[in-house]
Amino acid sequence: EAGVVQSPRYKIIEKKQPVAFWCNPISGHNTLYWYLQNLGQGPELLIRYENEEAVDDSQLPKDRFSAERLKGVDSTLKIQPAELGDSAVYLCASSDRTGGRTDTQYFGPGTRLTVL
Amino acid sequence: RKEVEQDPGPFNVPEGATVAFNCTYSNSASQSFFWYRQDCRKEPKLLMSVYSSGNEDGRFTAQLNRASQYISLLIRDSKLSDSATYLCVVNAGNNRKLIWGLGTSLAVNP
Repeated sequence: EAGVVQSPRYKIIEKKQPVAFWCNPISGHNTLYWYLQNLGQGPELLIRYENEEAVDDSQLPKDRFSAERLKGVDSTLKIQPAELGDSAVYLCASSDRTGGRTDTQYFGPGTRLTVL
Repeated sequence: RKEVEQDPGPFNVPEGATVAFNCTYSNSASQSFFWYRQDCRKEPKLLMSVYSSGNEDGRFTAQLNRASQYISLLIRDSKLSDSATYLCVVNAGNNRKLIWGLGTSLAVNP
């Protein structure tokens, strides 16, 4: 079974530029998460989707960050404009609560963003 | 008090040693608990779910203490390949929000 797919794996941009990340969750997983992780820190949730509904976006900086999951499958996370402090790894994860392991999350490899 | 707290370490242990990590949580309504492992520059991967009765998987044992609100992870006979960061994750009640600890770094030395 294919895992969570993310692209790009690496992105280097200049500050004030826009950037977008894409995530394809494990087939059948209805819950999708976007996390931000800084070096030496645990993942910090940005947004959680149940199907196409964003059920927790309280930690998403809405002035510059946006996300969508239009058909309840793939998702994109966008930053516009990017700031130096946005440099981090952006992780996408998915889970399937209907399965036996409630809330077990499967992560993609992440996108490492560097803002210059 | 942070919602989920872990000692960041690093824990430096020799091969074959037994090492234990604790993770405390603040929400007494928490229902689900997990240990994830994260290798350097890799994504987190589930190591173990933590059940009320405690559970064991080979050299790894996880336990839950609801009264004191902490979970633990015990690694016996440490291997070099156990070197990683171990992240504690707690479900914050019925809204399924998962709270992640900062992780505990383990280095197993030859």
